[in-house]
Amino acid sequence: KAGVTQTPRYLIKTRGQQVTLSCSPISGHRSVSWYQQTPGQGLQFLFEYFSETQRNKGNFPGRFSGRQFSNSRSEMNVSTLELGDSALYLCASSFVGNPEAFFGQGTRLTVV
Amino acid sequence: TQLLEQSPQFLSIQEGENLTVYCNSSSVFSSLQWYRQEPGEGPVLLVTVVTGGEVKKLKRLTFQFGDARKDSSLHITAAQPGDTGLYLCAGENASGNTPLVFGKGTRLSVIA
Repeated sequence: KAGVTQTPRYLIKTRGQQVTLSCSPISGHRSVSWYQQTPGQGLQFLFEYFSETQRNKGNFPGRFSGRQFSNSRSEMNVSTLELGDSALYLCASSFVGNPEAFFGQGTRLTVV
Repeated sequence: TQLLEQSPQFLSIQEGENLTVYCNSSSVFSSLQWYRQEPGEGPVLLVTVVTGGEVKKLKRLTFQFGDARKDSSLHITAAQPGDTGLYLCAGENASGNTPLVFGKGTRLSVIA
């Protein structure tokens, strides 16, 4: 069975631009979570979606947003990029109510 | 806010040595997962422990959940270079319906 797919793998953007990242979960997984990973802060939770609804949200500014489609695929968007947004963005999918998360390879975003 | 503290942060050992890494909290978790992450990749789930005092073995890796479900340890016997990576623990809140809490990880380097 195919794993979690994130696209693109790498992205370079300029300050002030916006970016959209995509995540296709494992077939049958309806819960999708997004995390930001940086060397200093570790894995920080961004948001979780289930049935096209945001269930939980982390402590990030409103520039970070997401959505989920009816096929469980999810996207996250970051507007007005800042240098500090440079990070590995990870998507994880799971069965609802099951804490075991399966991660994609991530999207490495560099803001210059 | 629930926190998971992992120690040590960094560990560099010779091939064949044994090691233990720790994951501690003042909070109770209903389950705890261990993940390994290699550079440029997403975390990969190794194990989930659910019952206080539970011990699980995965080849040379032994995982233990504390009796009070507040802490966990990972012991590796006869470490190999392939064990190199970032080891992350993640806890599921006992009240449920909240995102996983991740520790910042232990970065292990096994030198041949």
